[in-house]
Amino acid sequence: AQSVSQHNHHVILSEAASLELGCNYSYGGTVNLFWYVQYPGQHLQLLLKYFSGDPLVKGIKGFEAEFIKSKFSFNLRKPSVQWSDTAEYFCAVIPLSGGYNKLIFGAGTRLAVHP
Amino acid sequence: DGGITQSPKYLFRKEGQNVTLSCEQNLNHDAMYWYRQDPGQGLRLIYYSQIVNDFQKGDIAEGYSVSREKKESFPLTVTSAQKNPTAFYLCASSPSGQETQYFGPGTRLLVL
Repeated sequence: AQSVSQHNHHVILSEAASLELGCNYSYGGTVNLFWYVQYPGQHLQLLLKYFSGDPLVKGIKGFEAEFIKSKFSFNLRKPSVQWSDTAEYFCAVIPLSGGYNKLIFGAGTRLAVHP
Repeated sequence: DGGITQSPKYLFRKEGQNVTLSCEQNLNHDAMYWYRQDPGQGLRLIYYSQIVNDFQKGDIAEGYSVSREKKESFPLTVTSAQKNPTAFYLCASSPSGQETQYFGPGTRLLVL
Protein backbone atom coordinates (compact mmCIF):
# COMPACT_ATOMS: atom_id res chain seq x y z
CA ALA A 1 0.00 0.00 0.00
CA GLN A 2 1.11 3.55 -0.67
CA SER A 3 2.42 5.34 2.40
CA VAL A 4 4.22 8.45 3.59
CA SER A 5 6.87 8.31 6.31
CA GLN A 6 7.98 11.26 8.41
CA HIS A 7 11.15 10.37 10.23
CA ASN A 8 10.81 12.51 13.33
CA HIS A 9 7.67 12.69 15.43
CA HIS A 10 9.01 15.41 17.73
CA VAL A 11 11.75 17.96 17.10
CA ILE A 12 12.98 20.55 19.58
CA LEU A 13 15.18 23.42 18.40
CA SER A 14 16.46 26.72 19.63
CA GLU A 15 15.72 29.89 17.69
CA ALA A 16 18.08 30.48 14.76
CA ALA A 17 18.85 26.78 14.43
CA SER A 18 18.46 25.15 11.02
CA LEU A 19 15.59 22.77 10.38
CA GLU A 20 15.26 19.75 8.16
CA LEU A 21 12.22 17.46 8.38
CA GLY A 22 12.38 14.22 6.47
CA CYS A 23 9.62 12.80 4.28
CA ASN A 24 9.69 9.66 2.17
CA TYR A 25 6.89 8.07 0.18
CA SER A 26 6.34 4.64 -1.30
CA TYR A 27 5.15 4.96 -4.90
CA GLY A 28 7.17 4.51 -8.04
CA GLY A 29 5.15 6.68 -10.39
CA THR A 30 4.42 10.37 -10.75
CA VAL A 31 3.38 12.22 -7.62
CA ASN A 32 2.16 15.60 -6.43
CA LEU A 33 3.84 16.56 -3.15
CA PHE A 34 2.77 18.86 -0.32
CA TRP A 35 3.82 20.15 3.05
CA TYR A 36 1.06 21.42 5.32
CA VAL A 37 1.46 23.18 8.67
CA GLN A 38 -0.90 23.35 11.63
CA TYR A 39 -0.09 26.14 14.09
CA PRO A 40 -1.52 25.81 17.62
CA GLY A 41 -5.24 26.52 17.54
CA GLN A 42 -5.28 27.14 13.81
CA HIS A 43 -6.40 25.08 10.85
CA LEU A 44 -4.22 23.16 8.44
CA GLN A 45 -2.50 25.46 5.93
CA LEU A 46 -0.54 24.77 2.78
CA LEU A 47 3.16 25.52 3.27
CA LEU A 48 4.38 24.56 -0.20
CA LYS A 49 3.76 22.11 -3.02
CA TYR A 50 5.52 20.44 -5.91
CA PHE A 51 3.78 19.28 -9.08
CA SER A 52 6.54 19.51 -11.70
CA GLY A 53 9.54 21.60 -12.80
CA ASP A 54 12.32 22.80 -10.51
CA PRO A 55 12.61 20.20 -7.74
CA LEU A 56 13.56 22.88 -5.22
CA VAL A 57 10.40 24.68 -4.23
CA LYS A 58 9.99 27.68 -1.99
CA GLY A 59 7.00 28.23 0.24
CA ILE A 60 5.73 30.73 2.73
CA LYS A 61 7.67 31.99 5.75
CA GLY A 62 11.11 31.06 4.38
CA PHE A 63 10.46 27.33 4.04
CA GLU A 64 11.69 25.31 1.11
CA ALA A 65 11.59 21.66 0.10
CA GLU A 66 13.57 19.54 -2.32
CA PHE A 67 12.09 16.69 -4.33
CA ILE A 68 14.63 13.93 -4.94
CA LYS A 69 12.90 11.42 -7.19
CA SER A 70 15.60 8.75 -6.89
CA LYS A 71 15.23 8.78 -3.11
CA PHE A 72 11.41 9.14 -3.08
CA SER A 73 11.95 12.05 -0.72
CA PHE A 74 10.55 15.55 -0.21
CA ASN A 75 12.39 17.01 2.78
CA LEU A 76 11.40 20.35 4.28
CA ARG A 77 14.06 22.88 5.26
CA LYS A 78 14.43 26.28 6.86
CA PRO A 79 17.84 27.86 7.48
CA SER A 80 16.89 29.67 10.68
CA VAL A 81 13.76 28.86 12.68
CA GLN A 82 11.77 31.27 14.81
CA TRP A 83 9.63 30.72 17.89
CA SER A 84 6.58 31.32 15.68
CA ASP A 85 7.45 28.20 13.64
CA THR A 86 6.28 26.04 16.54
CA ALA A 87 3.63 23.87 14.91
CA GLU A 88 2.87 20.42 13.57
CA TYR A 89 4.09 19.73 10.03
CA PHE A 90 2.55 17.18 7.70
CA CYS A 91 3.99 15.80 4.49
CA ALA A 92 1.38 14.58 1.99
CA VAL A 93 1.48 12.90 -1.40
CA ILE A 94 -0.98 12.36 -4.24
CA PRO A 95 0.14 9.35 -6.33
CA LEU A 96 -1.08 10.05 -9.85
CA SER A 97 -2.34 6.69 -11.02
CA GLY A 98 -5.46 7.56 -12.99
CA GLY A 99 -8.98 7.75 -11.65
CA TYR A 100 -9.33 9.17 -8.16
CA ASN A 101 -5.99 10.29 -6.73
CA LYS A 102 -6.00 10.14 -2.93
CA LEU A 103 -4.01 12.54 -0.75
CA ILE A 104 -1.96 10.43 1.64
CA PHE A 105 -0.62 12.04 4.83
CA GLY A 106 2.37 11.26 6.96
CA ALA A 107 1.90 10.99 10.73
CA GLY A 108 3.19 14.52 11.29
CA THR A 109 6.17 16.08 13.06
CA ARG A 110 5.68 18.33 16.08
CA LEU A 111 8.24 21.12 16.12
CA ALA A 112 8.88 23.12 19.27
CA VAL A 113 11.16 26.15 18.98
CA HIS A 114 12.54 27.61 22.17
CA PRO A 115 13.45 31.31 22.39
CA ASP B 1 -14.40 36.21 1.58
CA GLY B 2 -13.91 32.69 0.21
CA GLY B 3 -13.16 29.63 2.23
CA ILE B 4 -14.34 26.56 4.03
CA THR B 5 -16.45 26.73 7.14
CA GLN B 6 -17.14 23.96 9.60
CA SER B 7 -19.62 23.94 12.43
CA PRO B 8 -19.83 23.51 15.28
CA LYS B 9 -16.31 24.03 16.63
CA TYR B 10 -17.02 21.59 19.47
CA LEU B 11 -19.64 18.86 19.52
CA PHE B 12 -20.65 16.52 22.28
CA ARG B 13 -22.22 13.17 21.56
CA LYS B 14 -24.11 10.95 23.94
CA GLU B 15 -24.02 7.17 23.73
CA GLY B 16 -26.24 5.85 20.93
CA GLN B 17 -26.70 9.26 19.35
CA ASN B 18 -26.08 10.25 15.76
CA VAL B 19 -24.50 13.66 15.23
CA THR B 20 -23.95 15.67 12.05
CA LEU B 21 -20.97 17.88 11.30
CA SER B 22 -21.41 20.68 8.81
CA CYS B 23 -18.98 21.64 6.04
CA GLU B 24 -19.62 24.44 3.56
CA GLN B 25 -17.35 25.90 0.88
CA ASN B 26 -17.74 28.88 -1.42
CA LEU B 27 -14.64 28.21 -3.48
CA ASN B 28 -16.62 26.58 -6.30
CA HIS B 29 -14.58 23.41 -5.83
CA ASP B 30 -15.88 20.15 -7.29
CA ALA B 31 -14.20 17.82 -4.79
CA MET B 32 -14.77 17.66 -1.05
CA TYR B 33 -13.31 15.42 1.65
CA TRP B 34 -13.68 14.42 5.29
CA TYR B 35 -10.67 13.44 7.38
CA ARG B 36 -10.24 12.32 10.93
CA GLN B 37 -7.17 13.48 12.86
CA ASP B 38 -5.92 11.53 15.87
CA PRO B 39 -2.69 12.32 17.76
CA GLY B 40 0.34 10.67 16.16
CA GLN B 41 -1.63 9.27 13.22
CA GLY B 42 -1.84 12.13 10.79
CA LEU B 43 -5.05 12.52 8.81
CA ARG B 44 -7.11 9.57 7.66
CA LEU B 45 -9.68 9.82 4.88
CA ILE B 46 -13.27 9.01 5.86
CA TYR B 47 -15.24 9.90 2.72
CA TYR B 48 -14.72 11.91 -0.43
CA SER B 49 -16.88 13.34 -3.16
CA GLN B 50 -15.61 14.31 -6.59
CA ILE B 51 -18.90 15.75 -7.87
CA VAL B 52 -22.39 16.52 -6.62
CA ASN B 53 -24.58 13.49 -5.86
CA ASP B 54 -21.59 11.18 -5.81
CA PHE B 55 -19.34 10.10 -2.96
CA GLN B 56 -16.98 7.26 -2.13
CA LYS B 57 -15.72 5.57 1.02
CA GLY B 58 -12.25 6.39 2.19
CA ASP B 59 -10.00 4.32 4.43
CA ILE B 60 -12.09 4.50 7.62
CA ALA B 61 -15.72 4.92 6.51
CA GLU B 62 -17.30 2.47 8.97
CA GLY B 63 -19.66 4.23 11.36
CA TYR B 64 -19.90 7.37 9.20
CA SER B 65 -22.23 8.56 6.46
CA VAL B 66 -22.26 11.57 4.11
CA SER B 67 -24.38 13.28 1.50
CA ARG B 68 -23.53 15.65 -1.35
CA GLU B 69 -26.79 17.20 -2.53
CA LYS B 70 -25.23 20.59 -3.24
CA LYS B 71 -21.80 21.53 -4.57
CA GLU B 72 -21.15 23.79 -1.58
CA SER B 73 -22.08 21.35 1.17
CA PHE B 74 -20.75 17.98 2.37
CA PRO B 75 -22.16 17.09 5.82
CA LEU B 76 -20.76 14.16 7.79
CA THR B 77 -22.89 12.09 10.15
CA VAL B 78 -21.18 10.17 12.91
CA THR B 79 -23.50 7.30 13.70
CA SER B 80 -23.88 5.26 16.86
CA ALA B 81 -22.03 2.46 15.04
CA GLN B 82 -18.78 4.45 15.31
CA LYS B 83 -17.38 3.09 18.57
CA ASN B 84 -14.50 5.50 18.96
CA PRO B 85 -15.74 8.84 17.63
CA THR B 86 -13.66 11.16 19.80
CA ALA B 87 -11.37 12.97 17.36
CA PHE B 88 -10.75 16.14 15.41
CA TYR B 89 -12.66 16.16 12.12
CA LEU B 90 -11.39 18.15 9.15
CA CYS B 91 -13.23 18.97 5.96
CA ALA B 92 -11.36 19.92 2.81
CA SER B 93 -12.08 20.85 -0.78
CA SER B 94 -10.14 21.05 -4.03
CA PRO B 95 -10.84 22.03 -7.64
CA SER B 96 -10.28 18.40 -8.64
CA GLY B 97 -8.88 15.22 -7.14
CA GLN B 98 -5.28 15.93 -8.16
CA GLU B 99 -4.99 19.47 -6.95
CA THR B 100 -4.25 21.21 -3.70
CA GLN B 101 -6.74 20.59 -0.92
CA TYR B 102 -7.80 23.47 1.32
CA PHE B 103 -8.93 22.75 4.84
CA GLY B 104 -11.58 24.09 7.16
CA PRO B 105 -10.98 24.94 10.83
CA GLY B 106 -12.20 21.56 12.08
CA THR B 107 -14.74 20.20 14.55
CA ARG B 108 -13.68 18.50 17.76
CA LEU B 109 -16.10 15.72 18.69
CA LEU B 110 -16.22 14.52 22.28
CA VAL B 111 -18.26 11.70 23.76
CA LEU B 112 -20.14 12.24 27.01
